[in-house]
Amino acid sequence: AQSVSQHNHHVILSEAASLELGCNYSYGGTVNLFWYVQYPGQHLQLLLKYFSGDPLVKGIKGFEAEFIKSKFSFNLRKPSVQWSDTAEYFCAVNRSPGTGGFKTIFGAGTRLFVKA
Amino acid sequence: DTAVSQTPKYLVTQMGNDKSIKCEQNLGHDTMYWYKQDSKKFLKIMFSYNNKELIINETVPNRFSPKSPDKAHLNLHINSLELGDSAVYFCASSQGGGFEKLFFGSGTQLSVL
Repeated sequence: AQSVSQHNHHVILSEAASLELGCNYSYGGTVNLFWYVQYPGQHLQLLLKYFSGDPLVKGIKGFEAEFIKSKFSFNLRKPSVQWSDTAEYFCAVNRSPGTGGFKTIFGAGTRLFVKA
Repeated sequence: DTAVSQTPKYLVTQMGNDKSIKCEQNLGHDTMYWYKQDSKKFLKIMFSYNNKELIINETVPNRFSPKSPDKAHLNLHINSLELGDSAVYFCASSQGGGFEKLFFGSGTQLSVL
């Protein structure tokens, strides 16, 4: 079955520290990959996405993610976190058109707390 | 303008009751979804509708019945509520099958006492 694994459930960092959140997926076909963020008390919103092309994807707020096909991974990174990055981060996978779709699978989420 | 709006924001009710959550999107999207987020923040798809047609039903108990009167609305009715139904329910929409991205509503926090 298709699944998404996020290795870190809770991460605590100080401001200006670098961030890397791990994400692996199990589906072997062509996939679209996403990172969503949920700030405290708010709904999920898209941080960045990968469909094809350059495996290094830049998103909003200085976030980036790298797709490594051989490792089935899509790790999220930020060189220097801020207090305002405190949130829950979700990795997600959707299959490409023509292969089903309509079903975005989410990882269990990683709760990031940034100390001021 | 709120793109995906759901009501109510909070819902507190007793076991055994029947309740509904409403969702509307003004983005002109074809596809709408219900997701359930449990206390550990795990987000799981429940239903997906495309142009009012049910596409995905993820082994959700029959007590949960989605209804889509038109492609801009997807309501969720829950019969005989149980303690385990307590969660945050998110409505979402997308153009097509979610290959681009999902737009989420602000969530409905359901507490069953």
